[in-house]
Amino acid sequence: DTGVSQDPRHKITKRGQNVTFRCDPISEHNRLYWYRQTLGQGPEFLTYFQNEAQLEKSRLLSDRFSAERPKGSFSTLEIQRTEQGDSAMYLCASSLGTRETQYFGPGTRLLVL
Amino acid sequence: AQSVTQLGSHVSVSEGALVLLRCNYSSSVPPYLFWYVQYPNQGLQLLLKYTTGATLVKGINGFEAEFKKSETSFHLTKPSAHMSDAAEYFCAVSDRLNNAGNMLTFGGGTRLMVKP
Repeated sequence: DTGVSQDPRHKITKRGQNVTFRCDPISEHNRLYWYRQTLGQGPEFLTYFQNEAQLEKSRLLSDRFSAERPKGSFSTLEIQRTEQGDSAMYLCASSLGTRETQYFGPGTRLLVL
Repeated sequence: AQSVTQLGSHVSVSEGALVLLRCNYSSSVPPYLFWYVQYPNQGLQLLLKYTTGATLVKGINGFEAEFKKSETSFHLTKPSAHMSDAAEYFCAVSDRLNNAGNMLTFGGGTRLMVKP
């Protein structure tokens, strides 16, 4: 049984560029979450999928952020026109059901120069 | 919205000493509570969780936590610290979303340092 995986683990980009991160959840988990963690802080919820439906996206930080889960399996998080303030760790988690334990991936660390 | 407060952003203990990491939450409904640990440059690993039932919850690596409703607390303890316990610890509460989903609301974290 493999856990949640994320790719890439690290990303360095220049301000203004677009970046995309991928998350592969635990295979039988139908719920998938994205969080952002800035240095010295706890993770902050961004968005949530149940199967392929994005059921909560009002907490995405701006309209530059978008997420997809087209076939209800892996998910992508895209940030357009990156800004230095987007530098953070982006964490993905998955769970089997509502209020079930969320299992986290290793994260993607983004640095915007 | 629910919130989580972790008192003490840094805690230092000697190896073999008691570990006590504090967590207080606010919640309008019976909470589900979690403790996660994060090692440098890694994701979060679940230590333990409280849902219902017994208020003393045992987790991995010798950690345990007690849910005290009257104090709205969920403090994490370990009788004897080990060098390998040095990490960042996060307390979280499961927060209901309007669409019947849930998200985790995290505290700011406590960095545990273990001195030899």
